[in-house]
Amino acid sequence: GAVVSQHPSWVICKSGTSVKIECRSLDFQATTMFWYRQFPKQSLMLMATSNEGSKATYEQGVEKDKFLINHASLTLSTLTVTSAHPEDSSFYICSARGGLAGDHSYNEQFFGPGTRLTVL
Amino acid sequence: GENVEQHPSTLSVQEGDSAVIKCTYSDSASNYFPWYKQELGKGPQLIIDIRSNVGEKKDQRIAVTLNKTAKHFSLHITETQPEDSAVYFCAASHTGGFKTIFGAGTRLFVKA
Repeated sequence: GAVVSQHPSWVICKSGTSVKIECRSLDFQATTMFWYRQFPKQSLMLMATSNEGSKATYEQGVEKDKFLINHASLTLSTLTVTSAHPEDSSFYICSARGGLAGDHSYNEQFFGPGTRLTVL
Repeated sequence: GENVEQHPSTLSVQEGDSAVIKCTYSDSASNYFPWYKQELGKGPQLIIDIRSNVGEKKDQRIAVTLNKTAKHFSLHITETQPEDSAVYFCAASHTGGFKTIFGAGTRLFVKA
């Protein structure tokens, strides 16, 4: 299957700092990327959907000014957690979906390995 | 809104036995149903998927069945091995929709 990488795999930061997480599709062009958050022993919670070259669509309850998403190219999306607080500590996972822009017939999503964020 | 229910939440089987995980979905427009395996500290991996024009799909020890009328789909793992131990998520989505709706997950333990 298609390969999606995430960097870093884990990060520890101080409260009030910002952290950037990168998500890359290595062998295909990802027109759409998704960012999820996962708490221990829970399912995936969709935070936002981003299409290359356009603004991300955030799910209800997700602060767009706190979780900045940029999808500047077909192989890279970034999630920046701004002014991080301990409650932002979580496992963040991205996924990527290929297909042509506007083509919603391509459903397969491929997930990255996740980034564990710990805010002290 | 759209919902995917998954059962059981925990499943423990003896090595060599079969494991079955069941999901139901609410959106009748759903036509794509992937299954993901997530090991501890890792991202989910797609292990098998099925589209609505097919009733069953098999890949070695893994099979998925779909009943569109009842809005049910199931994952079957035969001859389970300890390395099958993980959390399994079902999901549903449809052409034209951006979102994939995930089930709550099933923690599978395979005892050696």
